[in-house]
Amino acid sequence: EIVLTQSPGTLSLSPGERATLSCRASQSVSGNYNYLAWYQQKPGQAPRLLIYRASSRANGIPDRFSGSGSGTDFTLSITRLEPEDFAVYYCQQYGGSPLTFGGGTKVEIK
Amino acid sequence: QLQLRESGPGLVKPSETLSLTCTVSGGSIRSSSYYWGWIRQPPGKGLEWIGSMSYSGSSYYNPSLKSRVAISVDTSKNQFSLKLNSVTAADTAIYYCVMATPSLFDPWGQGTLVTVSS
Repeated sequence: EIVLTQSPGTLSLSPGERATLSCRASQSVSGNYNYLAWYQQKPGQAPRLLIYRASSRANGIPDRFSGSGSGTDFTLSITRLEPEDFAVYYCQQYGGSPLTFGGGTKVEIK
Repeated sequence: QLQLRESGPGLVKPSETLSLTCTVSGGSIRSSSYYWGWIRQPPGKGLEWIGSMSYSGSSYYNPSLKSRVAISVDTSKNQFSLKLNSVTAADTAIYYCVMATPSLFDPWGQGTLVTVSS
């Protein structure tokens, strides 16, 4: 099983600041593509897909969200935090079975 | 726009079977491009993929749950279902139904909390 480790556990930032979230896999999730996705979950809501193939934005996702990385190290960046961006973010790998998620990074208002 | 909604008992007794149904609206479950799956989240914790199935019957499950799980698809009702047997308190979670393509999850249902308790 591929284990995903997200860091930091909590990120305290102000609106307008840049957020950088990390996801590290216990083994490579890259092949023809980078099989890594990011989801956002707001309190009381279901997660929603933000990024797939490590760097492709899902439909309707603003361009302030960007993903990068390959192999075992991946990053989600949010260039200028909007009030609605304060949430928990999960990475998910689909390069191996079973499909697994990281433990999440909470982005909170400082 | 495709929407998913979970339904089922919110309380299940230990050792019994958890049964949930997901109703798909705004589109057909009969798509060769998609799988239909379940993900759960214990209160305040992270996400765990349970399993996924296509309308034609191809399925794959998380090995950690495979011996206790069954997912089925009912194309006549545009629904799919989850059965998890021999539940314990560790199975208490919010259960989400999802559309999978086939390993990315979007959209999600709103989720339903299932508590295992006597």
